[in-house]
Amino acid sequence: GMPVEQNPPALSLYEGAESGLRCNFSTTMKGVQWFQQNHRGRLITLFYLAQGTKENGRLKSTFNSKERYSTLHIKDAQLEDSGTYFCAALNNNAGAKLTFGGGTRLTVRP
Amino acid sequence: DPKIIQKPKYLVAVTGSEKILICEQYLGHNAMYWYRQSAKKPLEFMFSYSYQKLMDNQTASSRFQPQSSKKNHLDLQITALKPDDSATYFCASSQERERLFFGHGTKLSVL
Repeated sequence: GMPVEQNPPALSLYEGAESGLRCNFSTTMKGVQWFQQNHRGRLITLFYLAQGTKENGRLKSTFNSKERYSTLHIKDAQLEDSGTYFCAALNNNAGAKLTFGGGTRLTVRP
Repeated sequence: DPKIIQKPKYLVAVTGSEKILICEQYLGHNAMYWYRQSAKKPLEFMFSYSYQKLMDNQTASSRFQPQSSKKNHLDLQITALKPDDSATYFCASSQERERLFFGHGTKLSVL
């Protein structure tokens, strides 16, 4: 299977709602980065985790290397949260290489 | 990240021509990378360099050649351009095997 499986591929939320995204990894990864790609194509780094949980405002991310998954939770969704969200796993091999998930296209509606 | 500069932001080229995409990083990192994103698909890894030496190459075509004239530079030369090469090319850097920082990308259109 794919080394990084991301779900769901698309998500629609009303303002103020909350939901989660998940990435499963086919093998043990060293770390995970979560990105938001906005309508201009810019990649905005949201989190980098080597293990555990991080929170930043309305966003919270968890990475469990042993269980081979990572999640991104968005609460109180705002219109500006719309965009495509990618998880990317950092492999354990020599040389850092990020393998990206397929992305989640998030649409926040008023 | 504003400390990773990619030039130009947009590039239009004709089929068969050659272009160089510029990347400079001012984060003091020793590893640099190129990724490619076609039509809002996930980014795909192309190359990684560490201390100006090629570490990994996942690009099948030899038309894509990274060039590292300085430790903080990793340019990408593309020869004999094809319409399928149209994509956004992202440069990134890291301190060895730590988190990657990405530039804003160069959007290449080949006509």
